[in-house]
Amino acid sequence: GQQVMQIPQYQHVQEGEDFTTYCNSSTTLSNIQWYKQRPGGHPVFLIQLVKSGEVKKQKRLTFQFGEAKKNSSLHITATQTTDVGTYFCAGRIRGGGSEKLVFGKGTKLTVNP
Amino acid sequence: KAGVTQTPRYLIKTRGQQVTLSCSPISGHRSVSWYQQTPGQGLQFLFEYFSETQRNKGNFPGRFSGRQFSNSRSEMNVSTLELGDSALYLCASSLGVTSGSGETQYFGPGTRLLVL
Repeated sequence: GQQVMQIPQYQHVQEGEDFTTYCNSSTTLSNIQWYKQRPGGHPVFLIQLVKSGEVKKQKRLTFQFGEAKKNSSLHITATQTTDVGTYFCAGRIRGGGSEKLVFGKGTKLTVNP
Repeated sequence: KAGVTQTPRYLIKTRGQQVTLSCSPISGHRSVSWYQQTPGQGLQFLFEYFSETQRNKGNFPGRFSGRQFSNSRSEMNVSTLELGDSALYLCASSLGVTSGSGETQYFGPGTRLLVL
């Protein structure tokens, strides 16, 4: 079936180190969204990318959408303890007259102070 | 504005029973989507409702159904519960201006269902 693969599954970093999570789809995506879920919380929308090759920044976070609109990445510069949580990508896939948001399984980030 | 609310927050049921979960979207939002979250499968899309109509549907069996009311509140029903239905059920609301526009979705806190 249609899948969005996300790696790594877990990432542990020292505070101040950088962090990157990657998503790859078997199907071209209409757009891709990124969410953050803190432990015990619910997903919180971070950003949406729509255009091929798009790059967006939010302070220390940089989001990229691949040229083929099949992959995306989230990069955090100089991680802080407040960055702890699971980061999900979600690709919007259209097909068969319908569309759905397919989530990656997430990357769980822990930060050692 | 009040956020997305879901009731109940926790629920314990036994196999074979049925359950109804409720979601109240943010005021003014017309689209409600439902997701199932489990440690093994992650977040999986169940369905999306807009203006009382199911607009999109994921790959779940017919035991999972939903509806939306004229005030945009939504309910999700699972019949003949199985052990594997134990999960966190999340609903998310958005303005729903256009289908698939990728509007910001606001998630509720979820209903944690345990099937024994």
